[in-house]
Amino acid sequence: AQKITQTQPGMFVQEKEAVTLDCTYDTSDQSYGLFWYKQPSSGEMIFLIYQGSYDEQNATEGRYSLNFQKARKSANLVISASQLGDSAMYFCAMREGRGNQGGKLIFGQGTELSVKP
Amino acid sequence: DGGITQSPKYLFRKEGQNVTLSCEQNLNHDAMYWYRQDPGQGLRLIYYSQIVNDFQKGDIAEGYSVSREKKESFPLTVTSAQKNPTAFYLCASSIRGGGRLNQPQHFGDGTRLSIL
Repeated sequence: AQKITQTQPGMFVQEKEAVTLDCTYDTSDQSYGLFWYKQPSSGEMIFLIYQGSYDEQNATEGRYSLNFQKARKSANLVISASQLGDSAMYFCAMREGRGNQGGKLIFGQGTELSVKP
Repeated sequence: DGGITQSPKYLFRKEGQNVTLSCEQNLNHDAMYWYRQDPGQGLRLIYYSQIVNDFQKGDIAEGYSVSREKKESFPLTVTSAQKNPTAFYLCASSIRGGGRLNQPQHFGDGTRLSIL
């Protein structure tokens, strides 16, 4: 069963507008962490933001924020004031705490975001 | 600057040939990881290592091998047993394998492997 689901293969947003990228996850673990990464066309993976399962506040990092709804098991990424340089693939990933001594991440399929001028 | 260096950027493999992808980090991280990415797909874990001289199989280890003789280095060999090796390979590291959940993995720029 897929543990991370990103249902939007592609998204378009107008420059300077906000956009929400969806991520739902599945785990029976009470302790886990959720990450978002950006992958430009050049291929490197850039860490954007982290949300812990016990964090009471939604995480924010500059123009990135995470809309964390624990009961719904969703961790959507919100990008405010989109810029042309935000065009990239975005991946949601989960790190489960129980029995995961290796610190393994499970990735979703990704969402390709295109920012239009 | 600290970071992860993968080489080569592009690699071509002939039938029946083993090829080795290099991954070096100077972040003083204990844990290292290899992922495979197919077009339009997410990342899948091949192998990971929490400490020198130790490594574990990930979800798709068949046809691959690794070594971890130095903390800084985690090379991946794609063997001839891997029948569909064409993919983008990413190496990552984190401070420790276990420990705090909020430790992100840091990635290299990747190697694109193709079949001749």
